Amino acid sequence: LAKTTQPISMDSYEGQEVNITCSHNNIATNDYITWYQQFPSQGPRFIIQGYKTKVTNEVASLFIPADRKSSTLSLPRVSLSDTAVYYCLVVGPSGNTPLVFGKGTRLSVIA
Amino acid sequence: EPEVTQTPSHQVTQMGQEVILRCVPISNHLYFYWYRQILGQKVEFLVSFYNNEISEKSEIFDDQFSVERPDGSNFTLKIRSTKLEDSAMYFCASNSGRQESGKYNEQFFGPGTRLTVL
Repeated sequence: LAKTTQPISMDSYEGQEVNITCSHNNIATNDYITWYQQFPSQGPRFIIQGYKTKVTNEVASLFIPADRKSSTLSLPRVSLSDTAVYYCLVVGPSGNTPLVFGKGTRLSVIA
Repeated sequence: EPEVTQTPSHQVTQMGQEVILRCVPISNHLYFYWYRQILGQKVEFLVSFYNNEISEKSEIFDDQFSVERPDGSNFTLKIRSTKLEDSAMYFCASNSGRQESGKYNEQFFGPGTRLTVL
């Protein structure tokens, strides 16, 4: 599966929009891009997935350009409770293969 | 909403002792996993289990580790003789195994068991 690269950490003030970009240059045709969120001392939690273009749900938006070599997770109007580590993963469509986590992006939201 | 549960939340043990970590995956899910996360490090895959057998395992999952689904609901991870370096958070996850067209089928993680080996 394609290796992903994302910033180690980001800081943001409450109420701002946060964009976390991930690069995955070697993504395969059938792969999906997914993002998981992990709060301290909790298990990772799936937040959004996409294949191409833009996906939006109640938590976030995911922007994927046509070449799919990168993706951007967008969190609108973050609050303190959005402080977490965000992982970008490239996965096969079935979802049942083991997940390969990188170090993720540690987002700190400041009041 | 259905969720994966794990017990205990925290387990303290002496080096060399056996521990069993327990998980109840989401009902009717077909794939089960164990991951671990050493403090300050990334989440690492240990083993996956499907149809009552190991489907995949990592290099970490050596002979000291074993998994079992003793009944229709529990999924356990046993560490036969714990070492100091086994201290970590252990996460169980499950996946339904049913894929909808055009939609990623996510894994659901439990809250974890913090294992401390003294």
